[in-house]
Amino acid sequence: RKEVEQDPGPFNVPEGATVAFNCTYSNSASQSFFWYRQDCRKEPKLLMSVYSSGNEDGRFTAQLNRASQYISLLIRDSKLSDSATYLCVVNRPMTTDSWGKLQFGAGTQVVVTP
Amino acid sequence: DGGITQSPKYLFRKEGQNVTLSCEQNLNHDAMYWYRQDPGQGLRLIYYSQIVNDFQKGDIAEGYSVSREKKESFPLTVTSAQKNPTAFYLCASSRGMNSPLHFGNGTRLTVT
Repeated sequence: RKEVEQDPGPFNVPEGATVAFNCTYSNSASQSFFWYRQDCRKEPKLLMSVYSSGNEDGRFTAQLNRASQYISLLIRDSKLSDSATYLCVVNRPMTTDSWGKLQFGAGTQVVVTP
Repeated sequence: DGGITQSPKYLFRKEGQNVTLSCEQNLNHDAMYWYRQDPGQGLRLIYYSQIVNDFQKGDIAEGYSVSREKKESFPLTVTSAQKNPTAFYLCASSRGMNSPLHFGNGTRLTVT
């Protein structure tokens, strides 16, 4: 099982609609969670951190479900400019053998159509 | 403005040649990283460094080498031992190991 798994999509979304997708992680000790956005052939950019209580940034809402070990991202009122690949990032905690580090999912592609 | 600079943006090399990718940051971040991304795949960690003069292998370090002689700089050398070097290489930095990453704009390496 991969440490961080995402549905690759694509999620085809009409402009103005709502889209939501999840990311599952395997390490129950993970403590840090992020969503990044990556446009085609560009570097990933931080979209938002994910907090235990859930958090919202404009049209974007992130949730964490520790019991089921997944995080989610919801985009309301989708814009054409929201078309991108959304990467889930989860930390792999430090162990006696290695430093902790961030693990990336392969990404979920979202295509917003007019 | 603070940020991370990778150069060059595009790099072409012949098989069998070593090549060094540059990464410089002025964010005063302690941690720096190198990732590789192949088409349709996620980012895979090559090497990372938490402090000057120290670095650790990531998940796919074979065929690569790094140095961290200055806090601002973390160059990556792709050696001839790397079997499939053609990829998009991304450098990143962060305040600490579990803090959000800030990425450079990447180097596309093509080896023929």
